Amino acid sequence: AQKITQTQPGMFVQEKEAVTLDCTYDTSDPSYGLFWYKQPSSGEMIFLIYQGSYDQQNATEGRYSLNFQKARKSANLVISASQLGDSAMYFCAMSPKTGGFKTIFGAGTRLFVKA
Amino acid sequence: EAGVVQSPRYKIIEKKQPVAFWCNPISGHNTLYWYLQNLGQGPELLIRYENEEAVDDSQLPKDRFSAERLKGVDSTLKIQPAELGDSAVYLCASSSYRQGADTGELFFGEGSRLTVL
Repeated sequence: AQKITQTQPGMFVQEKEAVTLDCTYDTSDPSYGLFWYKQPSSGEMIFLIYQGSYDQQNATEGRYSLNFQKARKSANLVISASQLGDSAMYFCAMSPKTGGFKTIFGAGTRLFVKA
Repeated sequence: EAGVVQSPRYKIIEKKQPVAFWCNPISGHNTLYWYLQNLGQGPELLIRYENEEAVDDSQLPKDRFSAERLKGVDSTLKIQPAELGDSAVYLCASSSYRQGADTGELFFGEGSRLTVL
């Protein structure tokens, strides 16, 4: 069975500081993708970053980076230089690459950025 | 390029009434998903289509929920009859699936928020 675990229901970070949101996953598929999505209070889901299971380097997208540790099955999101607009729900997701993209999500972490 | 379009954005009905949600995916996206999102939780997959075929509907409560994607483009999700516990946001997403060529990134609509009274 495939599973995504996000153990931090809520996180606080000071503006301009960095924050790490934890994600662990479980899958038996040898090839898979890992994703992070942001959901502001307005409700839309916004794609942030992608990491392939065979990618040698950690993914980066602007202020977002994904700390991928395959042996530990973790895919933590690091947000550098936090901004007030980063306050939102963040979801870790995984999709196996066999049999089509069946994407499953974690329960999410709510991030609060303090001024 | 137009994004994923969902309607209605909001729907309030009384229990036991039927309700339907419509989704038009991004042009050219062959995979379409319906997710259920309860307040404060992550999206849960209800059904996934590859073109017009439902390839994963194991989480769809088939006694009251039904879905269709007749021409492999837009899709409708129906609930009949609705129950109080169906109050949630119904998210539609699409992706382009080409083996080895796509990451599987999902593009979401704005969601349809259902309130059952």
